[in-house]
Amino acid sequence: DSGVTQTPKHLITATGQRVTLRCSPRSGDLSVYWYQQSLDQGLQFLIQYYNGEERAKGNILERFSAQQFPDLHSELNLSSLELGDSALYFCASSVETMNNEQFFGPGTRLTVL
Amino acid sequence: QQPVQSPQAVILREGEDAVINCSSSKALYSVHWYRQKHGEAPVFLMILLKGGEQKGHDKISASFNEKKQQSSLYLTASQLSYSGTYFCGTVNNNDMRFGAGTRLTVKP
Repeated sequence: DSGVTQTPKHLITATGQRVTLRCSPRSGDLSVYWYQQSLDQGLQFLIQYYNGEERAKGNILERFSAQQFPDLHSELNLSSLELGDSALYFCASSVETMNNEQFFGPGTRLTVL
Repeated sequence: QQPVQSPQAVILREGEDAVINCSSSKALYSVHWYRQKHGEAPVFLMILLKGGEQKGHDKISASFNEKKQQSSLYLTASQLSYSGTYFCGTVNNNDMRFGAGTRLTVKP
C-alpha cells in the first residue's frame, strides 16, 4: 500500500460526458501528479500540482483539467469524453519535486462507451 | 520525446541476471525506475540524479551516464517476484517522460 488513495476504482460512462477522478496523496507529500496509461500510448504524464499550484504540464488535453485543494487532495476533470480517453488514470505523490520518488495510487479505470 | 528502452522483453530463469537500458535524446536531470505488475500500479524502485552515483539495494542497482543521457537497471540473481514490466522515467525541465517498458519474465 503506497498511501495514495484514488476514487473511484472503476468508471463507465458515455461519450460526451464529464467525470471527476479524485486523489489523496500520502501524508506529508505536497506534490500530486496525474498520469494516463493506455495500451497504445503507454504511461503519459499529464500534470503536476505542488501545494495547490500548478507546477508542470505534460500531455494534458484542453478537455482535461485538474486542481489541488487546500487539504492537498486533487481532482482530475475529464470532459467531452471520447472513446480514446478510455484508460487507466494514476495519481502519484511525492514530497516536493519531480526529482523525488513518486508513490502511485491504485488507479481509476475509465471506460468510455 | 519518449526515452527508448531496450530490450522490449526478456525471459530469464531464476538466478539469472538482466540489464535494462534507457536512453534519451534530451539532457536529463534525473531518471526514475519503476516496476509494474499486471493490473497493479507502478512501484518505485530507485531514482538517479544528475551528478549522482550508481545506486542499488539488494540485488537491483542502476547507473546513470548523464553525458550519454543513458541509464541502466541491473537485476542480479533474479527471483520470481522480479517479473513485471519495468519503466524508466526521465525528467528534463519539469517534464517527465516514460519509456514504453521492458517486460521481464522470470521462470522457475
